[in-house]
Amino acid sequence: DTGVSQDPRHKITKRGQNVTFRCDPISEHNRLYWYRQTLGQGPEFLTYFQNEAQLEKSRLLSDRFSAERPKGSFSTLEIQRTEQGDSAMYLCASSLDYRDEKLFFGSGTQLSVL
Amino acid sequence: QKEVEQDPGPLSVPEGAIVSLNCTYSNSAFQYFMWYRQYSRKGPELLMYTYSSGNKEDGRFTAQVDKSSKYISLFIRDSQPSDSATYLCAMSPITQGGSEKLVFGKGTKLTVNP
Repeated sequence: DTGVSQDPRHKITKRGQNVTFRCDPISEHNRLYWYRQTLGQGPEFLTYFQNEAQLEKSRLLSDRFSAERPKGSFSTLEIQRTEQGDSAMYLCASSLDYRDEKLFFGSGTQLSVL
Repeated sequence: QKEVEQDPGPLSVPEGAIVSLNCTYSNSAFQYFMWYRQYSRKGPELLMYTYSSGNKEDGRFTAQVDKSSKYISLFIRDSQPSDSATYLCAMSPITQGGSEKLVFGKGTKLTVNP
């Protein structure tokens, strides 16, 4: 399977714990995006990378959230001191480069904060 | 007013019906328009992509864009139970930096009854 891969698929954690998600984009895709989706809503943009550079962060991304993309390949999204409001599906997507608007999504990581 | 408005439904139709899904938007900078299909607990899957006003057809699916009215539609002919999913419209502006983040509608939940 050469699609976008996300790990884990599901994560249950207690409030206050830290969690980290991983995304492996489609090979040779330079852009990588993180979105968050809550029940009954469309995905909302969090941040994106062009290779290893983080180019934009949404105001939704509080200082408890940090994303990295070392070496421009896979990416990690870490949430520190999780809150119940962080419960959502975290989606990763990739696109070929800045000229390509078509995003290809992974299956997401469903986070539940108890 | 949200940038992208989409009726969340739910929409229930009999098998074989023609389905019409719609979105309106307020940002005239949006130039790229996409429709994604999302099955339960899965990531969005790109269905249709267009950047000009008019119609684009792909099998049973037709995407229509009317930039003057800021209105886009997705038509599904001969709908099948396997089409049951949430359909998300998504849009992106053009900037000097190239493609930007997608802005999604809330999604319309469609059920096709056998």
